[in-house]
Amino acid sequence: AQRVTQPEKLLSVFKGAPVELKCNYSYSGSPELFWYVQYSRQRLQLLLRHISRESIKGFTADLNKGETSFHLKKPFAQEEDSAMYYCALSTQGAQKLVFGQGTRLTINP
Amino acid sequence: KAGVTQTPRYLIKTRGQQVTLSCSPISGHRSVSWYQQTPGQGLQFLFEYFSETQRNKGNFPGRFSGRQFSNSRSEMNVSTLELGDSALYLCASSLVQGKYNEQFFGPGTRLTVL
Repeated sequence: AQRVTQPEKLLSVFKGAPVELKCNYSYSGSPELFWYVQYSRQRLQLLLRHISRESIKGFTADLNKGETSFHLKKPFAQEEDSAMYYCALSTQGAQKLVFGQGTRLTINP
Repeated sequence: KAGVTQTPRYLIKTRGQQVTLSCSPISGHRSVSWYQQTPGQGLQFLFEYFSETQRNKGNFPGRFSGRQFSNSRSEMNVSTLELGDSALYLCASSLVQGKYNEQFFGPGTRLTVL
């Protein structure tokens, strides 16, 4: 069975500090990994996906198949990064996402 | 383009009743997925419809069902409501071209079962 684990429910850092949101997954095949973000009073939206290998809003995430991890990183946090972040997994091209429990990130001024 | 819309936004029902939720995808999107979000279980996949056919199904009892119409609009139905069905129900639509496409989420329908 596929499973996504986000070990931190809450994460608080100061503005300008580095941020790392952890995500680990379990799946025996080759998954597609995503980070979704939900800002206050907004819809859930895609932040980035591992396959595109791009940086969005300064965030990057590298898929580490050996450690089955897909941690989200940003070198310098900004106040507007405060939001709920969900790591998600999809398998075999299916339009089905398995989500982690989410991490609420708070950036303190 | 208008985003994914869901109606109604809020619903209050009592145990034993049934409920129908509606989702209108982004124009041109043919896949609609449904998710249940609760504080305890988080976001859980219910099912996905594409071209009026259910393609994927999550681990929910048969009381949860859905359908998709020829215009890609989708409905989900929950029969014999239980207190534990209280949740935010999200639908998401995607274009479906290639291996995987971004899912665009609606604002959700908040269902409260009393």
